[in-house]
Amino acid sequence: TQLLEQSPQFLSIQEGENLTVYCNSSSVFSSLQWYRQEPGEGPVLLVTVVTGGEVKKLKRLTFQFGDARKDSSLHITAAQPGDTGLYLCAPGGPGSARQLTFGSGTQLTVLP
Amino acid sequence: NAGVTQTPKFQVLKTGQSMTLQCAQDMNHNSMYWYRQDPGMGLRLIYYSASEGTTDKGEVPNGYNVSRLNKREFSLRLESAAPSQTSVYFCASSDDSLQAKNIQYFGAGTRLSVL
Repeated sequence: TQLLEQSPQFLSIQEGENLTVYCNSSSVFSSLQWYRQEPGEGPVLLVTVVTGGEVKKLKRLTFQFGDARKDSSLHITAAQPGDTGLYLCAPGGPGSARQLTFGSGTQLTVLP
Repeated sequence: NAGVTQTPKFQVLKTGQSMTLQCAQDMNHNSMYWYRQDPGMGLRLIYYSASEGTTDKGEVPNGYNVSRLNKREFSLRLESAAPSQTSVYFCASSDDSLQAKNIQYFGAGTRLSVL
């Protein structure tokens, strides 16, 4: 099983602030996925990063995959209350289903 | 386009009662999963099924059984519910192929309380 550690576990910030959350492991991944889970719903995929050093942007969200493909970060610029949710990372890639283990997540609260 | 459908959405059981959580997907995915989610614990895999007719244990299988009835349906059964099984249960499916990168699609969850 590939273990993922996410930090911080909880984060509460004011609207307009910037933040970064992290997903770390000692294992190398062929790809890594970020999901967001809103209250009362299931997780929804935000992005998959595949190449070491890759940076992907999704509006105000910037995802980076570490050069060694062992870690990833999610940076949110000018956070909004709609960004509130649980952010989860998980290993991607074909064949990883049998070893899939989500990180414990970062619970983000953006206060208006 | 329904995606992954879970029933029921809410359930309250007494200790020792049994029940089956139902899950169906309409995306023709090979792989299906059952997770439980508890505060501060993220998602923990209970069982998964890589294809019709096959099932495998995940991280926390004790107290649960599963059935992959056909390609669309994957059910989770609690034979004798215990308070420790109070949780939110999520079903997911994925196209576990070389091209699909194993993106998981989740249902809306079943909120189960065992008294």
